[in-house]
Amino acid sequence: GESVGLHLPTLSVQEGDNSIINCAYSNSASDYFIWYKQESGKGPQFIIDIRSNMDKRQGQRVTVLLNKTVKHLSLQIAATQPGDSAVYFCAENKGNTGFQKLVFGTGTRLLVSP
Amino acid sequence: DGGITQSPKYLFRKEGQNVTLSCEQNLNHDAMYWYRQDPGQGLRLIYYSQIVNDFQKGDIAEGYSVSREKKESFPLTVTSAQKNPTAFYLCASSISGLSNQPQHFGDGTRLSIL
Repeated sequence: GESVGLHLPTLSVQEGDNSIINCAYSNSASDYFIWYKQESGKGPQFIIDIRSNMDKRQGQRVTVLLNKTVKHLSLQIAATQPGDSAVYFCAENKGNTGFQKLVFGTGTRLLVSP
Repeated sequence: DGGITQSPKYLFRKEGQNVTLSCEQNLNHDAMYWYRQDPGQGLRLIYYSQIVNDFQKGDIAEGYSVSREKKESFPLTVTSAQKNPTAFYLCASSISGLSNQPQHFGDGTRLSIL
Protein backbone atom coordinates (compact mmCIF):
# COMPACT_ATOMS: atom_id res chain seq x y z
CA GLY A 1 0.00 0.00 0.00
CA GLU A 2 0.94 3.64 -0.06
CA SER A 3 2.39 4.86 3.19
CA VAL A 4 5.05 7.06 4.67
CA GLY A 5 6.67 5.90 7.86
CA LEU A 6 9.53 6.64 10.18
CA HIS A 7 12.12 4.24 11.60
CA LEU A 8 12.50 5.89 15.03
CA PRO A 9 9.72 7.49 17.01
CA THR A 10 12.11 9.33 19.39
CA LEU A 11 15.66 10.54 18.87
CA SER A 12 17.70 11.95 21.76
CA VAL A 13 20.90 13.87 21.05
CA GLN A 14 23.29 16.19 22.83
CA GLU A 15 23.53 19.84 21.90
CA GLY A 16 26.11 20.30 19.18
CA ASP A 17 25.74 16.79 17.77
CA ASN A 18 24.48 16.13 14.27
CA SER A 19 21.01 14.56 14.05
CA ILE A 20 19.68 12.24 11.39
CA ILE A 21 15.97 11.57 11.08
CA ASN A 22 14.88 8.84 8.70
CA CYS A 23 11.77 8.19 6.67
CA ALA A 24 10.71 5.30 4.44
CA TYR A 25 8.16 5.65 1.70
CA SER A 26 6.47 2.97 -0.36
CA ASN A 27 5.15 4.80 -3.43
CA SER A 28 7.88 4.66 -6.07
CA ALA A 29 5.90 7.11 -8.22
CA SER A 30 6.10 9.90 -5.62
CA ASP A 31 7.84 12.91 -7.15
CA TYR A 32 8.10 15.42 -4.34
CA PHE A 33 9.02 15.22 -0.65
CA ILE A 34 8.87 17.70 2.21
CA TRP A 35 10.19 17.82 5.77
CA TYR A 36 8.24 19.69 8.44
CA LYS A 37 8.99 20.62 12.05
CA GLN A 38 6.15 20.81 14.54
CA GLU A 39 6.46 22.32 18.01
CA SER A 40 3.91 21.58 20.70
CA GLY A 41 0.58 23.32 20.10
CA LYS A 42 1.65 24.77 16.76
CA GLY A 43 1.22 23.92 13.12
CA PRO A 44 3.92 22.21 11.05
CA GLN A 45 6.66 24.51 9.83
CA PHE A 46 8.21 23.93 6.41
CA ILE A 47 11.92 23.05 6.63
CA ILE A 48 13.08 21.82 3.25
CA ASP A 49 11.80 20.01 0.18
CA ILE A 50 13.27 17.90 -2.59
CA ARG A 51 12.07 16.74 -5.98
CA SER A 52 12.57 13.21 -7.18
CA ASN A 53 15.07 14.27 -9.85
CA MET A 54 17.51 15.22 -7.07
CA ASP A 55 19.28 13.10 -4.46
CA LYS A 56 20.50 15.84 -2.13
CA ARG A 57 19.50 19.34 -1.18
CA GLN A 58 21.01 21.63 1.44
CA GLY A 59 19.57 24.44 3.48
CA GLN A 60 20.77 26.33 6.50
CA ARG A 61 22.09 23.63 8.89
CA VAL A 62 19.82 21.05 7.23
CA THR A 63 20.35 18.56 4.43
CA VAL A 64 17.80 16.23 2.87
CA LEU A 65 18.95 13.05 1.16
CA LEU A 66 16.75 11.02 -1.16
CA ASN A 67 17.57 7.44 -2.10
CA LYS A 68 15.01 6.33 -4.66
CA THR A 69 16.53 2.87 -4.99
CA VAL A 70 15.52 1.92 -1.47
CA LYS A 71 12.73 4.53 -1.13
CA HIS A 72 14.39 6.29 1.77
CA LEU A 73 14.45 9.93 2.81
CA SER A 74 16.55 11.46 5.57
CA LEU A 75 16.88 14.84 7.26
CA GLN A 76 20.27 15.78 8.66
CA ILE A 77 20.52 18.64 11.14
CA ALA A 78 24.02 19.94 11.81
CA ALA A 79 25.11 21.21 15.23
CA THR A 80 21.74 20.46 16.81
CA GLN A 81 20.45 23.10 19.22
CA PRO A 82 17.86 22.92 22.02
CA GLY A 83 15.54 24.97 19.80
CA ASP A 84 15.53 22.08 17.33
CA SER A 85 13.58 19.94 19.81
CA ALA A 86 10.26 19.16 18.12
CA VAL A 87 8.44 16.50 16.13
CA TYR A 88 9.66 16.14 12.55
CA PHE A 89 7.41 14.84 9.75
CA CYS A 90 8.21 13.74 6.27
CA ALA A 91 5.57 13.94 3.57
CA GLU A 92 5.43 12.60 0.05
CA ASN A 93 3.27 13.74 -2.81
CA LYS A 94 1.22 10.84 -4.07
CA GLY A 95 -1.02 12.91 -6.34
CA ASN A 96 -1.07 11.29 -9.76
CA THR A 97 -3.30 13.83 -11.51
CA GLY A 98 -0.90 16.77 -11.32
CA PHE A 99 -2.57 18.07 -8.16
CA GLN A 100 -0.62 17.74 -4.95
CA LYS A 101 -1.86 15.24 -2.38
CA LEU A 102 0.54 14.83 0.52
CA VAL A 103 0.82 11.71 2.66
CA PHE A 104 2.39 12.36 6.05
CA GLY A 105 4.38 10.08 8.30
CA THR A 106 3.56 9.76 11.99
CA GLY A 107 6.57 11.83 13.04
CA THR A 108 9.85 11.48 14.98
CA ARG A 109 10.33 13.38 18.20
CA LEU A 110 13.77 14.97 18.48
CA LEU A 111 14.96 15.72 22.01
CA VAL A 112 18.08 17.88 22.36
CA SER A 113 19.83 17.94 25.72
CA PRO A 114 22.02 20.91 26.68
CA ASP B 1 3.24 39.76 7.98
CA GLY B 2 1.89 37.25 5.49
CA GLY B 3 0.58 34.01 6.85
CA ILE B 4 -2.29 31.71 7.66
CA THR B 5 -4.58 32.52 10.56
CA GLN B 6 -6.78 29.93 12.18
CA SER B 7 -9.41 30.77 14.77
CA PRO B 8 -10.37 30.05 17.41
CA LYS B 9 -7.36 28.34 18.95
CA TYR B 10 -9.62 26.21 21.18
CA LEU B 11 -13.23 25.22 20.47
CA PHE B 12 -15.76 23.11 22.33
CA ARG B 13 -18.69 21.35 20.74
CA LYS B 14 -21.89 20.23 22.38
CA GLU B 15 -23.83 17.14 21.35
CA GLY B 16 -25.69 17.67 18.07
CA GLN B 17 -24.03 20.99 17.37
CA ASN B 18 -22.31 22.14 14.20
CA VAL B 19 -19.18 24.25 14.64
CA THR B 20 -17.19 26.23 12.10
CA LEU B 21 -13.43 26.66 12.11
CA SER B 22 -12.00 29.70 10.40
CA CYS B 23 -8.96 29.77 8.10
CA GLU B 24 -7.73 32.96 6.45
CA GLN B 25 -4.58 33.47 4.38
CA ASN B 26 -3.03 36.65 2.99
CA LEU B 27 -0.38 34.87 0.94
CA ASN B 28 -2.38 35.12 -2.30
CA HIS B 29 -2.28 31.32 -2.55
CA ASP B 30 -4.71 29.54 -4.87
CA ALA B 31 -4.82 26.18 -3.08
CA MET B 32 -6.03 25.55 0.46
CA TYR B 33 -6.34 22.39 2.55
CA TRP B 34 -7.83 21.08 5.78
CA TYR B 35 -6.19 18.31 7.78
CA ARG B 36 -7.01 16.49 10.97
CA GLN B 37 -4.25 15.45 13.39
CA ASP B 38 -4.77 12.79 16.06
CA PRO B 39 -2.17 11.72 18.64
CA GLY B 40 0.35 9.29 17.20
CA GLN B 41 -0.98 9.65 13.68
CA GLY B 42 0.05 11.55 10.62
CA LEU B 43 -2.04 14.37 9.23
CA ARG B 44 -5.10 13.19 7.30
CA LEU B 45 -6.67 15.23 4.51
CA ILE B 46 -10.29 16.28 5.00
CA TYR B 47 -10.94 18.65 2.08
CA TYR B 48 -8.91 20.66 -0.39
CA SER B 49 -9.56 23.49 -2.80
CA GLN B 50 -7.55 24.31 -5.90
CA ILE B 51 -9.31 27.56 -6.66
CA VAL B 52 -12.18 29.76 -5.56
CA ASN B 53 -15.63 28.10 -5.77
CA ASP B 54 -14.07 24.67 -6.15
CA PHE B 55 -13.29 22.04 -3.52
CA GLN B 56 -12.79 18.29 -3.39
CA LYS B 57 -13.16 15.63 -0.71
CA GLY B 58 -10.03 14.26 0.85
CA ASP B 59 -9.57 10.94 2.60
CA ILE B 60 -11.84 11.57 5.60
CA ALA B 61 -14.52 14.04 4.43
CA GLU B 62 -17.50 12.36 6.10
CA GLY B 63 -19.07 14.61 8.73
CA TYR B 64 -17.34 17.74 7.43
CA SER B 65 -18.23 20.48 4.97
CA VAL B 66 -16.35 23.43 3.47
CA SER B 67 -16.86 26.46 1.27
CA ARG B 68 -14.47 28.57 -0.81
CA GLU B 69 -16.29 31.77 -1.70
CA LYS B 70 -13.19 33.93 -1.41
CA LYS B 71 -9.57 33.21 -2.32
CA GLU B 72 -8.32 34.04 1.15
CA SER B 73 -10.88 32.07 3.16
CA PHE B 74 -11.59 28.35 3.52
CA PRO B 75 -13.86 27.67 6.54
CA LEU B 76 -14.44 24.12 7.76
CA THR B 77 -17.72 23.06 9.41
CA VAL B 78 -17.67 20.05 11.69
CA THR B 79 -21.21 18.73 11.62
CA SER B 80 -23.10 16.64 14.17
CA ALA B 81 -22.62 13.71 11.79
CA GLN B 82 -18.92 13.60 12.72
CA LYS B 83 -19.04 11.23 15.69
CA ASN B 84 -15.42 11.59 16.76
CA PRO B 85 -14.59 15.26 16.23
CA THR B 86 -12.03 15.66 19.01
CA ALA B 87 -8.75 16.44 17.23
CA PHE B 88 -6.30 19.15 16.23
CA TYR B 89 -7.40 20.74 12.95
CA LEU B 90 -4.82 22.27 10.63
CA CYS B 91 -5.36 24.50 7.64
CA ALA B 92 -2.72 24.89 4.95
CA SER B 93 -2.23 26.73 1.69
CA SER B 94 0.12 26.57 -1.28
CA ILE B 95 0.84 28.85 -4.23
CA SER B 96 -0.95 26.39 -6.46
CA GLY B 97 -2.08 22.80 -6.26
CA LEU B 98 0.80 21.62 -8.41
CA SER B 99 2.87 18.82 -7.04
CA ASN B 100 6.18 20.64 -6.40
CA GLN B 101 5.00 23.48 -4.17
CA PRO B 102 5.24 23.28 -0.36
CA GLN B 103 2.16 23.67 1.78
CA HIS B 104 2.31 26.18 4.62
CA PHE B 105 0.29 25.69 7.77
CA GLY B 106 -1.58 27.74 10.33
CA ASP B 107 -1.25 27.09 14.06
CA GLY B 108 -4.36 24.96 14.30
CA THR B 109 -7.65 24.77 16.18
CA ARG B 110 -8.07 22.22 18.94
CA LEU B 111 -11.65 20.93 19.04
CA SER B 112 -13.03 19.10 22.06
CA ILE B 113 -16.39 17.65 23.05
CA LEU B 114 -18.22 19.03 26.06
